[in-house]
Amino acid sequence: DAGITQSPRHKVTETGTPVTLRCHQTENHRYMYWYRQDPGHGLRLIHYSYGVKDTDKGEVSDGYSVSRSKTEDFLLTLESATSSQTSVYFCAISDGTSGSYEQFFGPGTRLTVL
Amino acid sequence: AQSVSQHNHHVILSEAASLELGCNYSYGGTVNLFWYVQYPGQHLQLLLKYFSGDPLVKGIKGFEAEFIKSKFSFNLRKPSVQWSDTAEYFCAVNLYGGSQGNLIFGKGTKLSVKP
Repeated sequence: DAGITQSPRHKVTETGTPVTLRCHQTENHRYMYWYRQDPGHGLRLIHYSYGVKDTDKGEVSDGYSVSRSKTEDFLLTLESATSSQTSVYFCAISDGTSGSYEQFFGPGTRLTVL
Repeated sequence: AQSVSQHNHHVILSEAASLELGCNYSYGGTVNLFWYVQYPGQHLQLLLKYFSGDPLVKGIKGFEAEFIKSKFSFNLRKPSVQWSDTAEYFCAVNLYGGSQGNLIFGKGTKLSVKP
C-alpha cells in the first residue's frame, strides 16, 4: 500500500465548529486530492493540489478550504461544520509522471457532525 | 459535463457465478480508465487500469475489463466470483490532458456474493 495516512480516523463534532483533517504521504507524489464519499453518490472531488501552495476546487468545494505548505501534507478544513458535511473523507495521491494519473487512496476519515 | 455511469446499483450473485459490471463514460477524447474496489470498511484499491494498447486488460484477483471505444464502455468481468469478492466497485475515468489528472468516478456498484 502507498504510504498515506489520514488523521483523525474518526471524529464527532458539533455544528458550527471548525474541523481540520490531515493527509500525510511518504511517496513524494506531486498531486493530492480530497474526496467525500456518500451513499448513492460515489466519490466526489472536494479540492486537489498539484504542488506546494497550488490548489484548486473540485466538484463540491463549498464550505471547504485546503492548504498544502509541504509536499507531504494536505489539510482539509471545514470552517464551520454542518450536518450535510457528515461523510467519509478520503485523501488520494498521484505522481502523474507516467501520464496515467493512477490514484492511491488513504484509509479515510469518518466525520459526524451533530 | 463529462460523466461516468454504472448501470447496476446492487448485484447479488451466488458463488461461482459469472460477473459483468457495466461502465459507460461520456467523453469523446482519449481517456484513461480504472476500476477500483472497496471492501467493507476499507479504502479504495486499484483493480485494473487501461491507458492504451490491448483493450482487454487483466487485473488482480482474476478480474478483467474490456475497453470498447465505439461504445464508450469499460465493463468489468470475472468468470467465477467468490464470497470474498463482496465489495463495492467503482469505475473511474481520467480525461487525457484533463485538469491535473482528476478522476471522474461512477456512483459505484455494490456486489454481494452469497456463499
